[in-house]
Amino acid sequence: GQQLNQSPQSMFIQEGEDVSMNCTSSSIFNTWLWYKQDPGEGPVLLIALYKAGELTSNGRLTAQFGITRKDSFLNISASIPSDVGIYFCAGFSGTYKYIFGTGTRLKVLA
Amino acid sequence: DSGVTQTPKHLITATGQRVTLRCSPRSGDLSVYWYQQSLDQGLQFLIQYYNGEERAKGNILERFSAQQFPDLHSELNLSSLELGDSALYFCASSSGPNTGELFFGEGSRLTVL
Repeated sequence: GQQLNQSPQSMFIQEGEDVSMNCTSSSIFNTWLWYKQDPGEGPVLLIALYKAGELTSNGRLTAQFGITRKDSFLNISASIPSDVGIYFCAGFSGTYKYIFGTGTRLKVLA
Repeated sequence: DSGVTQTPKHLITATGQRVTLRCSPRSGDLSVYWYQQSLDQGLQFLIQYYNGEERAKGNILERFSAQQFPDLHSELNLSSLELGDSALYFCASSSGPNTGELFFGEGSRLTVL
């Protein structure tokens, strides 16, 4: 099935560092969603974005809806060990259809 | 807790068998989605229902079927199981066709031996 390009695929960072990841598409979306998935668990919704240019924060997480509506970014500030997991983006084009990114695996070195 | 409930959490069965996975969406959500996630892979969309009707189909095998009942719970039926069907199966719900937020259950882990 169709998937969004998400980068980086994986990253190792030191505890306390900031993290950036992004998601790009050839299609325009009405909504961008960011999820975190722990091993063997369901994806948990972190942030939802509804307007081009929108910048939304959730604690140490900040996400932006790209101006072109074809991309989105997620930043994590001052990473901690529990930030470990897989982060997925998802674009929603309206009327049921969600497209998910390939995921970014984050590993934090204490 | 997302409010989406899936049962069973774990299921071990043999090749050729049939299983049913159950999902209860969040209270008030009319739309249910099913996804498959194989080991270390992304989320593959299977099928989606809105208020009892099938509305979208992804890469769902003919051996798989689903339905959404009047009380809005949904079941995913997997038959003639093969080793490659071993995966996490997630249900997700949203309130409607034009609502962006999608909430996932904790998944059902199927192991086919």
